[in-house]
Amino acid sequence: EPEVTQTPSHQVTQMGQEVILRCVPISNHLYFYWYRQILGQKVEFLVSFYNNEISEKSEIFDDQFSVERPDGSNFTLKIRSTKLEDSAMYFCASSGQASGGDTQYFGPGTRLTVL
Amino acid sequence: AQTVTQSQPEMSVQEAETVTLSCTYDTSESDYYLFWYKQPPSRQMILVIRQEAYKQQNATENRFSVNFQKAAKSFSLKISDSQLGDAAMYFCAYRSVRGAQKLVFGQGTRLTINP
Repeated sequence: EPEVTQTPSHQVTQMGQEVILRCVPISNHLYFYWYRQILGQKVEFLVSFYNNEISEKSEIFDDQFSVERPDGSNFTLKIRSTKLEDSAMYFCASSGQASGGDTQYFGPGTRLTVL
Repeated sequence: AQTVTQSQPEMSVQEAETVTLSCTYDTSESDYYLFWYKQPPSRQMILVIRQEAYKQQNATENRFSVNFQKAAKSFSLKISDSQLGDAAMYFCAYRSVRGAQKLVFGQGTRLTINP
């Protein structure tokens, strides 16, 4: 069964450093998402991406964040200058359509620890 | 903006018993989708069940069923014949049919299965 994959599973970085989190969505999917879950809290939407551009972003997704689809398979989230409060689990998701009923399939997540 | 509320931070149930997890939501929209996701200790988000708001019939997936009360904006999840593998965080989520269709999650309910 196709699945969303994410690398690395765990990333440790120093405050102020740049990190890139990588995702490989399901191959025939067209809509891509990033979510964040701070430990013990609910999952929060960061950004959605379609047709090589951002379709929606949350207040969390400020200028420190960017997303890119550098090739036909990868979808990346970059944090330019990490802060302590960026420590969280980051989930990538993809869906085949934007229609509300289409299921978003989640990857296993990347745990980001900022020291 | 839509909000999702899960008022039970923790629930526990004896193995083989039935448990119901509560979820309420707030929206001004008439058409939308509701989901329950399971997050086991591995922290991957796994879709359990989904419900289309325009459907009166409650969704069912094997031992999992929902009680969707549109007027009350309530969407509870019933797990029958609970198994040890059901132990996880359960998140209720809302998705609009308009826009980029981001998922809006509740705070989660941690379900413990007692052998």
